[in-house]
Amino acid sequence: GEDVEQSLFLSVREGDSSVINCTYTDSSSTYLYWYKQEPGAGLQLLTYIFSNMDMKQDQRLTVLLNKKDKHLSLRIADTQTGDSAIYFCAEIPNSGGYQKVTFGTGTKLQVIP
Amino acid sequence: EPEVTQTPSHQVTQMGQEVILRCVPISNHLYFYWYRQILGQKVEFLVSFYNNEISEKSEIFDDQFSVERPDGSNFTLKIRSTKLEDSAMYFCASSEASTLNSPLHFGNGTRLTVT
Repeated sequence: GEDVEQSLFLSVREGDSSVINCTYTDSSSTYLYWYKQEPGAGLQLLTYIFSNMDMKQDQRLTVLLNKKDKHLSLRIADTQTGDSAIYFCAEIPNSGGYQKVTFGTGTKLQVIP
Repeated sequence: EPEVTQTPSHQVTQMGQEVILRCVPISNHLYFYWYRQILGQKVEFLVSFYNNEISEKSEIFDDQFSVERPDGSNFTLKIRSTKLEDSAMYFCASSEASTLNSPLHFGNGTRLTVT
């Protein structure tokens, strides 16, 4: 089956940029999502990118996709303490639906004031 | 902004008991889903539901599980006879359409603890 891998933990200082990385294995056209989970809360969709794109920017968030290496990253500029959360990468093949989603294990982002 | 709501936030039950997890999807959404996350593991798909019937289910969703939309607003997941390994965070989600550019909105989850 498909696999999505993330590093488990990232610690950054407030005001610095955070880069959260993800690798996936599906070689077909695919949607790639970033979700944020704050303590006690659900999965909040941050942004998504289709595999025919290289980059997507939305305010402080920049998603970069290296399709050749199957590598996705989420950059958070000017990281704030409110960005502390677990960030999940998820991949869904274009031929499938949400039932085909594969989530990563999540990266816990700790922002140090 | 409209949101998916789930109740209860935490449910403790004894092995062998039946539990019902409740969800109220976003009102204009047509597609409903249940996912679960066992502690320390990945979020896994359980079942999708559309037009009052199951459209897809995973291997996890065996005969002990069932889903229902008893009225126009609630979407429930029932586990008939809980096992210890059913302990997990259960997430309900909904989307307006089935296409992948129609975002999936998640609830805050129900933490189920089976003792």
